[in-house]
Amino acid sequence: AQKITQTQPGMFVQEKEAVTLDCTYDTSDPSYGLFWYKQPSSGEMIFLIYQGSYDQQNATEGRYSLNFQKARKSANLVISASQLGDSAMYFCAMREGQYSGAGSYQLTFGKGTKLSVIP
Amino acid sequence: GAGVSQSPSNKVTEKGKDVELRCDPISGHTALYWYRQSLGQGLEFLIYFQGNSAPDKSGLPSDRFSAERTGGSVSTLTIQRTQQEDSAVYLCASSLRGHTEAFFGQGTRLTVV
Repeated sequence: AQKITQTQPGMFVQEKEAVTLDCTYDTSDPSYGLFWYKQPSSGEMIFLIYQGSYDQQNATEGRYSLNFQKARKSANLVISASQLGDSAMYFCAMREGQYSGAGSYQLTFGKGTKLSVIP
Repeated sequence: GAGVSQSPSNKVTEKGKDVELRCDPISGHTALYWYRQSLGQGLEFLIYFQGNSAPDKSGLPSDRFSAERTGGSVSTLTIQRTQQEDSAVYLCASSLRGHTEAFFGQGTRLTVV
């Protein structure tokens, strides 16, 4: 079974609008971390935001926020006030054993969502 | 250097040749990851090193692939007898164990002709 599922291969959003990119995950480890990365056409992987499984509040970083619903095992990325420069691939990732140090500590990625911002 | 450094940035090789890809992680980072990204695809995990522990090799696609990390720092990914399906971008990342994000290098674009 896939550990990270991103069901939206592609998304379009109007400039200045908000957009939500979906991510669901599967783990039995109570200690894990969730990450979102952005990959523009230039290819570099840019870290956006992080949510720990024990964090009480949803993470926010500027225009990025993470809608963390632990019971539903979802960690959706919300981008507010979209900009043309937000057009890129977005990857959700999970690391198990984030706090406990147990497990393989592997960082597993979803297949990504291609976001296109329309002027 | 300040970031993860990978070399070469591009490599074209003939089918059947061996190649070595190098990753220099951020100083002090104990965790090092290798990933492969084929055109338009997500990241495929290859191998993970953590300090002096035995590496997690569960993602290596075949015995033609191997990796080592010397002195807990620089890592080399070796692909023997390259095949055309090995063509991809090979990404290296490093992180502090128990901390947050992994930092990625710019990748090595491997083309097997």
